[in-house]
Amino acid sequence: QVQLVQSGAEVKKPGASVKLSCKASGYTFTSYYMHWVRQAPGQGLEWMGIITPSGGNTGYAQKFQGRVIMTRDTSTSTVYMELSSLRSEDTAVYYCARELPDSCYFDDWGQGTLVTVSS
Amino acid sequence: EIVLTQSPGTLSLSPGERATLSCRASQSVSSSYLVWYQQKPGQAPRLLIYGASSRATGIPDRFSGSGSGTDFTLTISRLEPEDFAVYYCQQYGSSSYTFGQGTKLEIK
Repeated sequence: QVQLVQSGAEVKKPGASVKLSCKASGYTFTSYYMHWVRQAPGQGLEWMGIITPSGGNTGYAQKFQGRVIMTRDTSTSTVYMELSSLRSEDTAVYYCARELPDSCYFDDWGQGTLVTVSS
Repeated sequence: EIVLTQSPGTLSLSPGERATLSCRASQSVSSSYLVWYQQKPGQAPRLLIYGASSRATGIPDRFSGSGSGTDFTLTISRLEPEDFAVYYCQQYGSSSYTFGQGTKLEIK
């Protein structure tokens, strides 16, 4: 079955960077887009960006432009999301989520990774 | 950017009752790109409805979606105890994905 397994919780200081991973299994990795969505404590969902595992093309929400980089490793079926210049407002659970190309919805999600930014 | 506004913020109902959740867009959304998710505490969101009205795999038929343009609705015909959760709508447009702020469905 489809599994998206994310890396473990992180605690970072303001100004630092964090790099999260999402390892996919149970399907052809290059056949689906991957997105990152975050959720601050007690808040709603916020889309951060997309990567196409086949070509490595990316698209980022305007809010995160210049601060986020999404990459992938096809040999391990893993996508990565690096967020830099962290601030307290970046404290959130970060999810990876899969999209069948051009469907524009997320049919499978990782379990989430909590990132805490605190001095 | 298209803004999605969900109402009500909280809906208090009893099992067996009918739930009607609203999602209103700041400008017209293609029905093909309007989606609903369910999220329970401590869990990732779960896809319920895509294309405004198509149920995802394994979703019971008590869940239905409707609407077009700027007004969309998620209806749960007869609430089961496991349906009490937070529901989000989501849309795609102009190379961006946005979510509504969510409706919390709680047991009355």
